[in-house]
Amino acid sequence: GQQLNQSPQSMFIQEGEDVSMNCTSSSIFNTWLWYKQDPGEGPVLLIALYKAGELTSNGRLTAQFGITRKDSFLNISASIPSDVGIYFCAGQPTSSGSARQLTFGSGTQLTVLP
Amino acid sequence: ETGVTQTPRHLVMGMTNKKSLKCEQHLGHNAMYWYKQSAKKPLELMFVYSLEERVENNSVPSRFSPECPNSSHLFLHLHTLQPEDSALYLCASSHLTGTQSSYEQYFGPGTRLTVT
Repeated sequence: GQQLNQSPQSMFIQEGEDVSMNCTSSSIFNTWLWYKQDPGEGPVLLIALYKAGELTSNGRLTAQFGITRKDSFLNISASIPSDVGIYFCAGQPTSSGSARQLTFGSGTQLTVLP
Repeated sequence: ETGVTQTPRHLVMGMTNKKSLKCEQHLGHNAMYWYKQSAKKPLELMFVYSLEERVENNSVPSRFSPECPNSSHLFLHLHTLQPEDSALYLCASSHLTGTQSSYEQYFGPGTRLTVT
């Protein structure tokens, strides 16, 4: 099946720093979604992207749908302690005949140090 | 209640037990999903229900049996599980239309299952 390569696997940053993470695929995707998961909870949708080149913000979070349609990036500016968690990318490949099938990355574990 | 709820939040069961996980969504969606989340692995889609009909079954062992009595409720019946089935089981829902929002899946908090 489809695979997403998400990097980095983990990050340790100082409070106030900016963060970048990305997902890449060997296939073209129609849609990119970014989720955050706190310990003991389910993933929460942060940003959804639907067009190549699209840049969308949600507060201090900004995500972009890559021009090649094979990648997506998530940036977090001025990190704060509550940004700690696991960030997942997810996407729907063009080869999928179903709007219901999403492929997920393995996640980026973010730790914010005071 | 709002969003997607799941009960129980934690479950410990023996390999010979039978138990059920419950999911309820209050978002007016008409598609529901079961996922398995194991440590350091991507989310694995197990089942998809669309308008109460099962439309996807990703080679899940028969010891997992889903049920969707209506568009708001989803169950996962468990019997004779194995220790490797221990994981976080997540329910999600979405709209099932041709619009962009149908790609957006909203998750419940999950059930942490431990099989002993």
